[in-house]
Amino acid sequence: EDQVTQSPEALRLQEGESSSLNCSYTVSGLRGLFWYRQDPGKGPEFLFTLYSAGEEKEKERLKATLTKKESFLHITAPKPEDSATYLCAVRGYGGSQGNLIFGKGTKLSVKP
Amino acid sequence: DADVTQTPRNRITKTGKRIMLECSQTKGHDRMYWYRQDPGLGLRLIYYSFDVKDINKGEISDGYSVSRQAQAKFSLSLESAIPNQTALYFCATSPRLAGVTDTQYFGPGTRLTVL
Repeated sequence: EDQVTQSPEALRLQEGESSSLNCSYTVSGLRGLFWYRQDPGKGPEFLFTLYSAGEEKEKERLKATLTKKESFLHITAPKPEDSATYLCAVRGYGGSQGNLIFGKGTKLSVKP
Repeated sequence: DADVTQTPRNRITKTGKRIMLECSQTKGHDRMYWYRQDPGLGLRLIYYSFDVKDINKGEISDGYSVSRQAQAKFSLSLESAIPNQTALYFCATSPRLAGVTDTQYFGPGTRLTVL
C-alpha cells in the first residue's frame, strides 16, 4: 500500500533559523513526488514536482530534494510569511491513475 | 480571476438534505478531481474524471456522487448529508501530459458543515 509520512507534525522557528521538513514514502514505483503549501482555509498551492532520486528544485528560500525513500524541503533563513502547512504527496505506478497519496502535513510557524 | 473556482465557499446544512458543490476551471485542463480534507487525516480523493465521459471512484466515494457537465465543470453531490461529511472540500484540475506525471492545481475550497 502506498503511504506518505511527514515529520515533524509541527515546527516552530525563529526568523532566519534554517531547518528541514521530511517526507518519507512507500510506493510501488514512483511517478512523481509533489510539495504543496497550504495557508489556513485555503487550497493547496503547488510548489515542486520531483521525479527521480537525486533531483533538486529551488524556489526563493525553499529547496526540495529527493532520495529513493524520502524527500526533504529545506527552508533557508525563513521569514514569517513562510508560515503555513506544507503537504507532500506521491503518485506511483501501482495505484489507480488519478490517485495522489497525501501526507498529513507539517505545520510551520516562523516567529519574527 | 481565479483559474479554479468553487461555489459555495461556505455552506451549513442539516442532516438528510441534498447538497451540490460546484467547481469550474478556466485552465483548459482535461482532468478534474474532488477531495475532502479533515483535521489530522489529510487530503483524500473522492472522485476523479479524466474527461467528460470518464468518471472514477476514489478512496472514499460512498455517500457522494459526481457529474461532469462539461470539460470545465465538475459537480459533487451529497444525496443525503450526514454530520461526518462535515469537512473542507477541494476541487483540483490537471492537464493530460503524455509521458509526464501531471501536476494538480487546487481550488479555494468549500467549507461544509452538516448539523
